[in-house]
Amino acid sequence: DTGVSQNPRHKITKRGQNVTFRCDPISEHNRLYWYRQTLGQGPEFLTYFQNEAQLEKSRLLSDRFSAERPKGSFSTLEIQRTEQGDSAMYLCASSLRDSSSPLHFGNGTRLTVT
Amino acid sequence: DAKTTQPPSMDCAEGRAANLPCNHSTISGNEYVYWYRQIHSQGPQYIIHGLKNNETNEMASLIITEDRKSSTLILPHATLRDTAVYYCIAPGTSYGKLTFGQGTILTVHP
Repeated sequence: DTGVSQNPRHKITKRGQNVTFRCDPISEHNRLYWYRQTLGQGPEFLTYFQNEAQLEKSRLLSDRFSAERPKGSFSTLEIQRTEQGDSAMYLCASSLRDSSSPLHFGNGTRLTVT
Repeated sequence: DAKTTQPPSMDCAEGRAANLPCNHSTISGNEYVYWYRQIHSQGPQYIIHGLKNNETNEMASLIITEDRKSSTLILPHATLRDTAVYYCIAPGTSYGKLTFGQGTILTVHP
């Protein structure tokens, strides 16, 4: 499978704990995106990288959230001191740098904060 | 990005063509229109995109009106597995920062 891979698929954590998700994009894609989707809503943009540089962050990305893409390949999204409102599906996508290239999404990590 | 308007839901019989409309009357001349779909519990799946000309790939066809104010996604022979939420998006210069509206819930019936 050469698509976008996300791990884990599901994560249950207690409020106040830290969690980290991983995304492996399609290998030749140099742009990588993180989105969040809550129940019944469409995905919402969080942040994106071009190679290892984080170029934009949404206001949705509070100080408790941090994303990295250290070598321009895989990326991690960490949430510190999780809150129940963080419960959502976290989606990763990747694309080529070409401005018209579509995004290809992974199947997400579903986070449940109890 | 241009605002898009889609019907909230549509039904289609299995084996028939599904025609999903999208209005994007504020689209500018160099903005692409993209279609994605999301099947329950999966990430969005890219279907097709276009600028001015009609496009076809192995999944669907995209018909864009000459004035570019609306488009139609056509699934030529819908199957039960095509039941999903379909999103029409015109991101413009917000490339990569896709705004997913409510989309159209397509239900394919046997």
